[in-house]
Amino acid sequence: KQEVTQIPAALSVPEGENLVLNCSFTDSAIYNLQWFRQDPGKGLTSLLLIQSSQREQTSGRLNASLDKSSGRSTLYIAASQPGDSATYLCAVRPERSTLGRLYFGRGTQLTVWP
Amino acid sequence: ETGVTQTPRHLVMGMTNKKSLKCEQHLGHNAMYWYKQSAKKPLELMFVYSLEERVENNSVPSRFSPECPNSSHLFLHLHTLQPEDSALYLCASSQVAIRYQETQYFGPGTRLLVL
Repeated sequence: KQEVTQIPAALSVPEGENLVLNCSFTDSAIYNLQWFRQDPGKGLTSLLLIQSSQREQTSGRLNASLDKSSGRSTLYIAASQPGDSATYLCAVRPERSTLGRLYFGRGTQLTVWP
Repeated sequence: ETGVTQTPRHLVMGMTNKKSLKCEQHLGHNAMYWYKQSAKKPLELMFVYSLEERVENNSVPSRFSPECPNSSHLFLHLHTLQPEDSALYLCASSQVAIRYQETQYFGPGTRLLVL
C-alpha cells in the first residue's frame, strides 16, 4: 500500500524566508504527484501537478520538484508571505489505482508571521 | 454558484440520528468523490462515482451510504454514526479524461460532530 510522508509536520517562519517542504512516498509507480493548499475551515486547492515524466513544475513563487525513482518531492516557496500560511498537502496517484484514488500525506502546517 | 459546494457546512448529530450531506459541482465534471479528513489520519478516499463506474472503499462502514442521482450531485447519507466518525467530510469532482493529468477540485467540506 502506498504511504505518503510529509516533513516537517509544522513550520513557523518570519516573512521573506525561502522554504522547502518535503514529501516522500513508498511506491514509485505513480501517474503524478500533486501539491494542495488547505486553509482553515476550507477545502483543498490544487497548487501544482507534476506528471511522472516531469522533473518540476513552477507557478509564481512556488516550485515543485519530483524524483520519482527515489520517491521524493519538494515544494519550494520563495519569499514567503503571511498569506502563505496554510496547510500544504502532498498527494500521489498510483499507476495501478482505481478511478480517483489519491494517497495523501498528513500535511505541513505553515505559519508565516510578519 | 461556482466550483464545488457543500451543505451543510457544520452538522452536529446524535448517534441515533439520520442525516445527509449534499455536494454539488458546477464544473461539468463527470466524476465525484467523498473524502474523510480526521485529525488522526491522512485524508481518506471513501467513495467515487463516475458515469462509467463506481468505486467503493471496502473499509467504509455501511452506516455511510452514498447516492449520486446525476453527474452534478452527490449525497452521503448518515445513519447510526459513532463518535469516531466526527471529521471533516470533503467532496471533490474531476473530469476523467487522461488520468495522469486529472486534477480534483474540492468543496469547502462539512464539519461533522457526532455526540
